[in-house]
Amino acid sequence: DQQVKQNSPSLSVQEGRISILNCDYTNSMFDYFLWYKKYPAEGPTFLISISSIKDKNEDGRFTVFLNKSAKHLSLHIVPSQPGDSAVYFCAASEGISNFGNEKLTFGTGTRLTIIP
Amino acid sequence: DVKVTQSSRYLVKRTGEKVFLECVQDMDHENMFWYRQDPGLGLRLIYFSYDVKMKEKGDIPEGYSVSREKKERFSLILESASTNQTSMYLCASRDLYEQYFGPGTRLTVT
Repeated sequence: DQQVKQNSPSLSVQEGRISILNCDYTNSMFDYFLWYKKYPAEGPTFLISISSIKDKNEDGRFTVFLNKSAKHLSLHIVPSQPGDSAVYFCAASEGISNFGNEKLTFGTGTRLTIIP
Repeated sequence: DVKVTQSSRYLVKRTGEKVFLECVQDMDHENMFWYRQDPGLGLRLIYFSYDVKMKEKGDIPEGYSVSREKKERFSLILESASTNQTSMYLCASRDLYEQYFGPGTRLTVT
């Protein structure tokens, strides 16, 4: 059972425009969400995160929005740049604590291609 | 600077061989993880460890085992490799909020 879903396997966006990547989850116990970016032949790198007590978190060109009632989050990239072309994974965890040993559940990924 | 290293970038093994994948982190993290990444399936958790000599099964532990004898090192073992274990294997360690990944090992089992 896929608890974290990214329904768009791929997305193409013109350079300079906004890229919107979506993620849905089913487990209402998830309270912390992350986005990772992955280039071919490299490990994923952390991009941005959001706690369930917030509905928006912004870091430069990247903004993550969380809609808890809809169990939906999205990543906005503005403006999109060619270097943003990569696979993006959303991930979720439940029960943030001081132990930090909660596992992450990942989505299936969305391949973003920025067209120059 | 955070660093997670994996012993091999590419590995080719034969069916039935015993395979060891090594992962080392230099951040003194207690928590370490092994994932495999397959097209259309995303990252799936195989095993994780939250302390030396401690291990927990992830979502797909069948056919795998792990070893954590030292805090910085977490090994994934394929007892008898099979072709359906051909995949990209990713190791990670974690602080309170974020997981840091190694570069991955592309394993091909023929």
